[in-house]
Amino acid sequence: AQSVTQPDIHITVSEGASLELRCNYSYGATPYLFWYVQSPGQGLQLLLKYFSGDTLVQGIKGFEAEFKRSQSSFNLRKPSVHWSDAAEYFCAVGGRGADGLTFGKGTHLIIQP
Amino acid sequence: EPEVTQTPSHQVTQMGQEVILRCVPISNHLYFYWYRQILGQKVEFLVSFYNNEISEKSEIFDDQFSVERPDGSNFTLKIRSTKLEDSAMYFCASTPGSGYTEAFFGQGTRLTVV
Repeated sequence: AQSVTQPDIHITVSEGASLELRCNYSYGATPYLFWYVQSPGQGLQLLLKYFSGDTLVQGIKGFEAEFKRSQSSFNLRKPSVHWSDAAEYFCAVGGRGADGLTFGKGTHLIIQP
Repeated sequence: EPEVTQTPSHQVTQMGQEVILRCVPISNHLYFYWYRQILGQKVEFLVSFYNNEISEKSEIFDDQFSVERPDGSNFTLKIRSTKLEDSAMYFCASTPGSGYTEAFFGQGTRLTVV
């Protein structure tokens, strides 16, 4: 069965510092990988996705993620965080069409001044 | 930009009552989904719907749940007899086709069962 692990429940980063959020997945076939962000009381917004090709993918808001098949990881990075990046971040893996997405438990990002 | 819309944004219902959550997926999308997020927990897949029938469903999606596409635009989730543990945020999502692309999520309906 597919699964996603986000080992960090909370992460606190100073504004302007770099960020890396970890994600490990388990999936039997070629995975489709996603990072979503959820601000308080809001829905899920797609940050970026990986389907194939270049393993370093760029997303919105200055985020990027690197797919490493050998490590079954898809970590999210940002070189310099802004206070507005404070939110819940979800990594997800999916297959095709009807399968739906499997989400990790999320990482709560706190930005300190 | 096209978006998935959900109504209502918040619904309070008494235990045992039926509720219907409504969604309008993006108009040219073919796959529709419902997900659930209990407060403080991860988002969980409930069901996918394609070509007017359920494609996949999770263990959570038991007999008290049903989905329907009553017309060309709406996609509904019905919970027949709500329980306290059904309190959650329910997200609708849609994708364009069978080749996988990202799911576009609505803003969610917060269901509170009292």
